[in-house]
Amino acid sequence: GDSVTQMEGPVTLSEEAFLTINCTYTATGYPSLFWYVQYPGEGLQLLLKATKADDKGSNKGFEATYRKETTSFHLEKGSVQVSDSAVYFCALSPSGFQKLVFGTGTRLLVSP
Amino acid sequence: NAGVMQNPRHLVRRRGQEARLRCSPMKGHSHVYWYRQLPEEGLKFMVYLQKENIIDESGMPKERFSAEFPKEGPSILRIQQVVRGDSAAYFCASSPRLAGGTDTQYFGPGTRLTVL
Repeated sequence: GDSVTQMEGPVTLSEEAFLTINCTYTATGYPSLFWYVQYPGEGLQLLLKATKADDKGSNKGFEATYRKETTSFHLEKGSVQVSDSAVYFCALSPSGFQKLVFGTGTRLLVSP
Repeated sequence: NAGVMQNPRHLVRRRGQEARLRCSPMKGHSHVYWYRQLPEEGLKFMVYLQKENIIDESGMPKERFSAEFPKEGPSILRIQQVVRGDSAAYFCASSPRLAGGTDTQYFGPGTRLTVL
């Protein structure tokens, strides 16, 4: 079945460091891909999305490119801030379906 | 425009009681989804509803769990005879009706259920 695999956390960085969180997926057809962010005690917020191969989603300095050849959607940010500390979830929506399939999440901790 | 509303935010039940979780979608949204997040895990899809219809319930446990989205009022996720393993955060999401493609889902703050 469809699945998403994320790198395990926590990822610990200093402020202004470069961030990469790896995400790979298994799916039939052409899923849409998403990154969601969850701050402590809150629900999930959509960070960015891509709906077809080679699309690049971007928001708030974060970006991810839909790579069909490597079935990946890695999240990157050039310079992280303390306020970026949160749990990041990679997700896919299978082609023809509305439900989301989530990875297990990666906790990011950014220190001053 | 108010976001997705869920209540209660925290719910404590004893084993064997019923838990009723409510979700009001964003204004103009007619699709509702329920997800469950167990501690230290990702979200798992449970059910997808439109007004008065269950579209996909492939993630719902076969017993004790039910969901509805009536013509008027919020969507309800009902768990009967709760057990300790039901303790989790339950998130609701909503999306607008689009002609095709994949809708973006907007999430509520969740209801954290604790079963004693």
